[in-house]
Amino acid sequence: GESVGLHLPTLSVQEGDNSIINCAYSNSASDYFIWYKQESGKGPQFIIDIRSNMDKRQGQRVTVLLNKTVKHLSLQIAATQPGDSAVYFCAENPRGGATNKLIFGTGTLLAVQP
Amino acid sequence: NAGVTQTPKFQVLKTGQSMTLQCAQDMNHNSMYWYRQDPGMGLRLIYYSASEGTTDKGEVPNGYNVSRLNKREFSLRLESAAPSQTSVYFCASGNGVRSYNEQFFGPGTRLTVL
Repeated sequence: GESVGLHLPTLSVQEGDNSIINCAYSNSASDYFIWYKQESGKGPQFIIDIRSNMDKRQGQRVTVLLNKTVKHLSLQIAATQPGDSAVYFCAENPRGGATNKLIFGTGTLLAVQP
Repeated sequence: NAGVTQTPKFQVLKTGQSMTLQCAQDMNHNSMYWYRQDPGMGLRLIYYSASEGTTDKGEVPNGYNVSRLNKREFSLRLESAAPSQTSVYFCASGNGVRSYNEQFFGPGTRLTVL
């Protein structure tokens, strides 16, 4: 979900469980979406992307679901590991323009309990 | 390949001082970006450069200037630093020729303005 002010929404899961991180995006014209992972003290790192002509895409242990009707994006992580602990951001690319401009959500903190 | 590199990693300035943040990428990308990230928030676009020789304002350009020195390098300048510019600054690059491309991020510069 989206956060307000300084407090990130936090998802706490047990190691080995599946995690689902949600994101509501703002622009119905956006045609490309990305999930990034940001570990403490580092820059964001690409996880998976999806185009608006798809509703599901799978990677290694991750799945992204796109529901354009309600402008909702989710990231599913299977068999969550301690190394998955990080802040996860969704980003959208509004359609058009000559360059790939991304609009980022405020992030969700995933805390994996051993 | 080093990817996206940023210097310095940390910087403390006094109000009114100026400084330039440096960014370089070795992936032959056309587009480069500067973002700022404040505590508990997502990344906000300051300026971007779709290609060598062009720059455009992003969401929060006030108080900043940029220079696309060549295809590899994109610098961000604070002419007169203010406490409100205390933040973590990330540079990113991407192949902006097509819309569907991820951006690659540097490790960030942590700036404190006293």
